[in-house]
Amino acid sequence: DIQMTQSPSSLSASVGDRVTITCRASQGIRNDLGWYQQKPGKAPKRLIYAASSLQSGVPSRFSGSGSGTEFTLTISSLQPEDFATYFCLQHHSYPLTFGGGTKVEIK
Amino acid sequence: QLQLQESGPGLGKPSETLSLTCTVSGGSISSSTYYWVWIRQPPGKGREWIGSIYYSGNTYYNPSLRSRVTISVDTSKNQFSLKLSSVTAADTAMYYCASYPYYSDNSGWVAFDTWGQGTMVTVSS
Repeated sequence: DIQMTQSPSSLSASVGDRVTITCRASQGIRNDLGWYQQKPGKAPKRLIYAASSLQSGVPSRFSGSGSGTEFTLTISSLQPEDFATYFCLQHHSYPLTFGGGTKVEIK
Repeated sequence: QLQLQESGPGLGKPSETLSLTCTVSGGSISSSTYYWVWIRQPPGKGREWIGSIYYSGNTYYNPSLRSRVTISVDTSKNQFSLKLSSVTAADTAMYYCASYPYYSDNSGWVAFDTWGQGTMVTVSS
């Protein structure tokens, strides 16, 4: 199985901060990775697919990068509505696996 | 735009079979450009992919659950279903269904795009 190690597990940040979240794969997954945002009681929302493609309708302050084993989700200027949990998904090989999640909280 | 909605009992007893259904609206479950997926997240724990099914019935299951899982599709109702047998308290979780799309540009299969709201299932005697 491919292990997805996501860091940090939580972070505190202020509105306007630049935030970076990382997922590392235990083996190469090309660009077969997505990033999601989830708020309490809501369905996960896809932000990024194919590691760096921005989902239609998602603000451009979100960006994804990486290929192979290391991937990054960046929020360039954190907004109040961005406080949520973020997680990655690898779909390169079965079983599909998720990162552990990052809870972004208000400082 | 696709919408997915999970349904099923919120409570089950140990050793029983858990049955959930995901109803797809805004698109056809018979589309050749989607797999349909079940995921779960136990309270305080990480997310776990359970399995995937294509409209033709082709399935992939998580080896950790394969012996207890059956995923099926009902094209006449635009639904797909999950059965998990011999449940224990460890199967208590929020269960989600999702769509796993294929993009005909060079992207190919890409990360799940639409998720249901989830349904909480508690296993307790």
